[in-house]
Amino acid sequence: GAVVSQHPSWVICKSGTSVKIECRSLDFQATTMFWYRQFPKQSLMLMATSNEGSKATYEQGVEKDKFLINHASLTLSTLTVTSAHPEDSSFYICSASFFGPRGEQFFGPGTRLTVL
Amino acid sequence: AQSVTQPDIHITVSEGASLELRCNYSYGATPYLFWYVQSPGQGLQLLLKYFSGDTLVQGIKGFEAEFKRSQSSFNLRKPSVHWSDAAEYFCAVGGSGNTGKLIFGQGTTLQVKP
Repeated sequence: GAVVSQHPSWVICKSGTSVKIECRSLDFQATTMFWYRQFPKQSLMLMATSNEGSKATYEQGVEKDKFLINHASLTLSTLTVTSAHPEDSSFYICSASFFGPRGEQFFGPGTRLTVL
Repeated sequence: AQSVTQPDIHITVSEGASLELRCNYSYGATPYLFWYVQSPGQGLQLLLKYFSGDTLVQGIKGFEAEFKRSQSSFNLRKPSVHWSDAAEYFCAVGGSGNTGKLIFGQGTTLQVKP
């Protein structure tokens, strides 16, 4: 089956620093990647959609200057949390799709970010 | 507005008992419906999906779901629950006009009693 990895699986950083999270599709080429945020015991909230070689499309209320998304290749997307603050602490999940709206999204295992 | 509601936040069933997890959606166009399961430390796994056709959909791990347009529902069922089914379950809706975006419900935590 299609496998998506995320790195790192968890990260702790100091307030004001930037953190980069990688999302890779290991055995398929992902035309579209999605980034979600999940708070404890809550649902997944879509942050942005990225297509390879294009600028990401951010959901309403998501600061694009704070959450920088780069989709440089068909197998790699990165999310950089810039000048992180404690309120950015969360579980970040990526998914990848290769078949458009009818296609299944394959999810990564998530990255736990804690900002001190 | 597009939305998904899972009315039950937490459900406990005995092992071997039947299970039904409820999902209601609001979507302006033809919906694509999904059920995902999330286990600790693992990514979301697709259980089943509905795009069109037969309204009763079979999935993996013995799960099935029925699409009822009149009730805007897509409830997940399993006739006999196993202890390994304990996890978080999410219903999601997407559609042809959404370029693959999914809207997730709040999730239902399933606990299985021995």
